[in-house]
Amino acid sequence: AQSVTQLDSHVSVSEGTPVLLRCNYSSSYSPSLFWYVQHPNKGLQLLLKYTSAATLVKGINGFEAEFKKSETSFHLTKPSAHMSDAAEYFCVVSDHNSGGGADGLTFGKGTHLIIQP
Amino acid sequence: NAGVMQNPRHLVRRRGQEARLRCSPMKGHSHVYWYRQLPEEGLKFMVYLQKENIIDESGMPKERFSAEFPKEGPSILRIQQVVRGDSAAYFCASSPLGYPDTQYFGPGTRLTVL
Repeated sequence: AQSVTQLDSHVSVSEGTPVLLRCNYSSSYSPSLFWYVQHPNKGLQLLLKYTSAATLVKGINGFEAEFKKSETSFHLTKPSAHMSDAAEYFCVVSDHNSGGGADGLTFGKGTHLIIQP
Repeated sequence: NAGVMQNPRHLVRRRGQEARLRCSPMKGHSHVYWYRQLPEEGLKFMVYLQKENIIDESGMPKERFSAEFPKEGPSILRIQQVVRGDSAAYFCASSPLGYPDTQYFGPGTRLTVL
């Protein structure tokens, strides 16, 4: 079984300051991990993806995430927030090697990122 | 190359009516997934389909919900006798053969049950 915990339901930062969105996962096997972003009333856009290659993954729009197996974490960061980053962010795990269970992605509950001017 | 298309974008139904949600996958994609997003929640997996075949429906409610992906045409998620608790955003995703992790999402259909 796999699960995802996003530790903060809301994060508020000032424009130009760093962003940290926290995510911990649980998986029986070697997981694939993702971050998706959802702007208001829009679909989901893939920010980045980890699939057992480099542990530091660079994504679009200046975001990156680091896979830390010892901490079972996959936190999302960005050095400098822009107003356009305000959105809902979802940490996602996929465990297609588990041999059973749902073949879909498992989503966290989301973190709402607020950017203060 | 058009992305995943869903229609309608918004759907309003009264309790007891049927809702039909459509999803056209990206060109060349043979796998379709349906997810439901309740307010203030993440997406929950419902069903995974290939053409003319349901691969995994472990996330589907046991009653009133069904899904199909015919040989021709879009995938359909059907909800019979809708209730207020069915109000949610329903997202479809598609992936290419051999890459189930690489899912591209549509814009979603927002269902409101009055």
